[in-house]
Amino acid sequence: KAGVTQTPRYLIKTRGQQVTLSCSPISGHRSVSWYQQTPGQGLQFLFEYFSETQRNKGNFPGRFSGRQFSNSRSEMNVSTLELGDSALYLCASSLAGLARETQYFGPGTRLLVL
Amino acid sequence: DAKTTQPTSMDCAEGRAANLPCNHSTISGNEYVYWYRQIHSQGPQYIIHGLKNNETNEMASLIITEDRKSSTLILPHATLRDTAVYYCIVRVEGDMRFGAGTRLTVKP
Repeated sequence: KAGVTQTPRYLIKTRGQQVTLSCSPISGHRSVSWYQQTPGQGLQFLFEYFSETQRNKGNFPGRFSGRQFSNSRSEMNVSTLELGDSALYLCASSLAGLARETQYFGPGTRLLVL
Repeated sequence: DAKTTQPTSMDCAEGRAANLPCNHSTISGNEYVYWYRQIHSQGPQYIIHGLKNNETNEMASLIITEDRKSSTLILPHATLRDTAVYYCIVRVEGDMRFGAGTRLTVKP
């Protein structure tokens, strides 16, 4: 079974631009979660989608948004990029997002904002 | 907010068991303990998880105390490739809160 895939793997943007990141979950997985990882803040939960609905949300500003499609693929969008948005963005998938289910991570998208 | 406390770093000799402790004193009855590791900014790799019983798989063993306030991840025969940051996480539905993790260095 293919793992979680994320595209693109690397991205360079400038301040004020917007960016869209994509995540394809493991086949059959309907829950997709997004995380931001920076050296200063570590791994932080952004949001979780299940059946095309945002079910949980972390403590991030409204510039960070996402969506999920009917095939469970998910996209994350960051508008009006700031230097501090430079980070590794990770997505993870599980069957239904239940606490007892293993969540599998993708390789991440490394975003650099100049 | 992370609900776990781990040592910042640990060393282990190659071939010996690595025992990584984790405190989660405020864990609730429906929260699972998960362990992941991350090697050099790759995506975190799942290791093992449990609710209240000890668990073992091909990678590691997880020992959870009876009161569930702490746990220990055991890598039985550490290799150089086990050098990584190990995260202990208390998980509820749809949400995983990572702490700073333990940086394990396996030395020859």
